[in-house]
Amino acid sequence: AQTVTQSQPEMSVQEAETVTLSCTYDTSESDYYLFWYKQPPSRQMILVIRQEAYKQQNATENRFSVNFQKAAKSFSLKISDSQLGDAAMYFCAYRSASGANSKLTFGKGITLSVRP
Amino acid sequence: GAVVSQHPSWVICKSGTSVKIECRSLDFQATTMFWYRQFPKQSLMLMATSNEGSKATYEQGVEKDKFLINHASLTLSTLTVTSAHPEDSSFYICSAPPMTGGRETQYFGPGTRLLVL
Repeated sequence: AQTVTQSQPEMSVQEAETVTLSCTYDTSESDYYLFWYKQPPSRQMILVIRQEAYKQQNATENRFSVNFQKAAKSFSLKISDSQLGDAAMYFCAYRSASGANSKLTFGKGITLSVRP
Repeated sequence: GAVVSQHPSWVICKSGTSVKIECRSLDFQATTMFWYRQFPKQSLMLMATSNEGSKATYEQGVEKDKFLINHASLTLSTLTVTSAHPEDSSFYICSAPPMTGGRETQYFGPGTRLLVL
């Protein structure tokens, strides 16, 4: 079974600074997807960024980028130029590519606060 | 992006009653929908996988007779919490991957807050 580990329950960052959220995972599969989801106080899950395991290039979405280390099974999220609206709970998630309807496996999440 | 709705967004019920929560994909079809439960400051816990035209698949430890799931069509899945008790109070979220295009992505509903008195 796949597992996703987020070992830091909370982090804080100064507005306009950069912060990195850590995530590791365990799987025996070679083809899969990794995600970072944001859950603000409204509790609506928002997809931040997605990485296909077969792609060596790290995904980037504006201020958000990942450091995907497949051999180390590590998938960290870097948020640049942090904004107050980035304050939320962030979840790292894994999804197998073997089935079209395979489920997401989530980490425990990390609460990010942004200091003005 | 694709839109998933949930209804109701907020429900309060008395202990012993049943509550139905709807999950609809508004602009795409989904043969599968997922139901999660989330307690405050915790992660999403997958309860069951809803399959259109067949029985739902429940995760270990989830009572299938208590949490009834029906995937009535390619755009609608319902979760019924039967004989609800205060410990069932939680935040319930559904998600769905589109049948066609972008199947690697799941779209989440806004969630339903259930409070059982």
